[in-house]
Amino acid sequence: DAKTTQPNSMESNEEEPVHLPCNHSTISGTDYIHWYRQLPSQGPEYVIHGLTSNVNNRMASLAIAEDRKSSTLILHRATLRDAAVYYCILRKGETSYDKVIFGPGTSLSVIP
Amino acid sequence: DTGVSQDPRHKITKRGQNVTFRCDPISEHNRLYWYRQTLGQGPEFLTYFQNEAQLEKSRLLSDRFSAERPKGSFSTLEIQRTEQGDSAMYLCASSSSGGLDGYTFGSGTRLTVV
Repeated sequence: DAKTTQPNSMESNEEEPVHLPCNHSTISGTDYIHWYRQLPSQGPEYVIHGLTSNVNNRMASLAIAEDRKSSTLILHRATLRDAAVYYCILRKGETSYDKVIFGPGTSLSVIP
Repeated sequence: DTGVSQDPRHKITKRGQNVTFRCDPISEHNRLYWYRQTLGQGPEFLTYFQNEAQLEKSRLLSDRFSAERPKGSFSTLEIQRTEQGDSAMYLCASSSSGGLDGYTFGSGTRLTVV
């Protein structure tokens, strides 16, 4: 099962961009890169996912390295509500094998 | 559809008792997952269903844990003879396919074994 590594914690000032890195050096060609975030006492919330190309949605952007061994979640303007634990995971494409390993994630603090 | 529902939200039980949790996934999702999460850790995979078939089960899951998904709809997770080490948040998630789609998680069931 492919694993990811992320910094344990990061800090950002409110209204500034945040770049959350993730390394996944053992990624395979069929692995999608997914990002989730989790607020206290809640289940994780889907943020964004991608395969090879950079992706944008209303919540964030995902930048994927050309060799796919790393990716970066970009929050364009951090707000206090973005303070959460962010998880980067790898998930197989359409296949019956769907066991995913979550690491401890990155705890993001947003400073007013 | 109101998302993934889990019941109960909180459960306190005495050591040695059996407990059962329920998860109602998003109706059009054919995949359902159970995770366990302890403080400061990421979710830990327990098991996964595609429709009613249980396709993966973690080796970490002891024989005291069993999950079912009759008719491919809701799922139950039962823990028999609970131990203090079972105290955790139990999360359920669903999705419509593999990596092509994201998981939708429920709010979890917080189990405390005293």
